[in-house]
Amino acid sequence: GDSVTQMEGPVTLSEEAFLTINCTYTATGYPSLFWYVQYPGEGLQLLLKATKADDKGSNKGFEATYRKETTSFHLEKGSVQVSDSAVYFCARGGSQGNLIFGKGTKLSVKP
Amino acid sequence: NAGVTQTPKFRILKIGQSMTLQCTQDMNHNYMYWYRQDPGMGLKLIYYSVGAGITDKGEVPNGYNVSRSTTEDFPLRLELAAPSQTSVYFCASGNPQETQYFGPGTRLLVL
Repeated sequence: GDSVTQMEGPVTLSEEAFLTINCTYTATGYPSLFWYVQYPGEGLQLLLKATKADDKGSNKGFEATYRKETTSFHLEKGSVQVSDSAVYFCARGGSQGNLIFGKGTKLSVKP
Repeated sequence: NAGVTQTPKFRILKIGQSMTLQCTQDMNHNYMYWYRQDPGMGLKLIYYSVGAGITDKGEVPNGYNVSRSTTEDFPLRLELAAPSQTSVYFCASGNPQETQYFGPGTRLLVL
């Protein structure tokens, strides 16, 4: 069935380091792709999205490009801050109109 | 604009008790969803609704029921609580392949 696989965490980085969180999805159709972020004790918030191949989603310095040929949607940021510490979820649109999530990657950024 | 609201924030239930988790959205979305989030497992779809009067099962519906009498409200009912239902529950609304908006979550502990 439809699924999303993202890299296992936790990831610990120093402030201003480069971040990559890998995400791949099953290629049933051409789903929309999303990155959501969850700060401690809160619900999920949309970080960015892309709706078709080669689209780049971007927000708050984060970027991800919809790669159909590799079925990937990796999240990147050039210089992370302590305030970026959170759990990041990759997701794809599902056949029931829902979102299918990866297991989440916890990011901790140290000053 | 409140978005998606959920009550209660936290609840402890004894095995066999019942409760209703409330969810309301004010964005006039037709689609609404209930997910549960277990540690390290991402979010799993419990039930969803495509409009008032229409509901359907998701990936993990056993032990739950839903109703959708209005566009705004989508309550989730647990009839006989079991320890396996200890989780964090998120309600969301949105449209297929588009952004979903999440509530702040309900943390449920079944003892």
